[in-house]
Amino acid sequence: GESVGLHLPTLSVQEGDNSIINCAYSNSASDYFIWYKQESGKGPQFIIDIRSNMDKRQGQRVTVLLNKTVKHLSLQIAATQPGDSAVYFCAENGRGSSNTGKLIFGQGTTLQVKP
Amino acid sequence: GAGVSQSPSNKVTEKGKDVELRCDPISGHTALYWYRQSLGQGLEFLIYFQGNSAPDKSGLPSDRFSAERTGGSVSTLTIQRTQQEDSAVYLCASSNGPGSPLHFGNGTRLTVT
Repeated sequence: GESVGLHLPTLSVQEGDNSIINCAYSNSASDYFIWYKQESGKGPQFIIDIRSNMDKRQGQRVTVLLNKTVKHLSLQIAATQPGDSAVYFCAENGRGSSNTGKLIFGQGTTLQVKP
Repeated sequence: GAGVSQSPSNKVTEKGKDVELRCDPISGHTALYWYRQSLGQGLEFLIYFQGNSAPDKSGLPSDRFSAERTGGSVSTLTIQRTQQEDSAVYLCASSNGPGSPLHFGNGTRLTVT
């Protein structure tokens, strides 16, 4: 079946350190992956996405890595700041290039940044 | 508007009552989605509208749930005869279509007493 999961429910890091949030997916047909950040009381906010023809994509302070061989996705946050504290979700489209646009979400990892 | 707008932001209703939740997507976005998020959980897909195509209703948990999208813009999610297990945050999102990021509203927190 289709599932997206995260390895750790909570990640605690020191301010200024780098954070790495991991995600495993099971559907090899997925060709679009995306990371969201959700703060308390708000909807998920888009961070970065990546297509299956890439293995790395960088944004501002964030990098997404995709390893299709082991079906693993990670989000790296450089110089983590208190404002990065939130729940992070990975998502996949689940059905490949003919997909309907529906995203399947993992359960989320809570990132706690210690000052 | 600048983002996806949902109303009401909070809704408390009695068990057995019907509720309607509204979503105004980003102007020009062709796709609209409804998800449900229970406390401390991930997002559960409910329904998806893409242009004039028939909606993907595969995530609706029961026939008490329905949604429509009028004029290709505003959408309403209706829950009939609400149950306590319907309590959750209902999130709406819109996008430019498959392969584009979803942009979420802040959700409607539904509490069924």
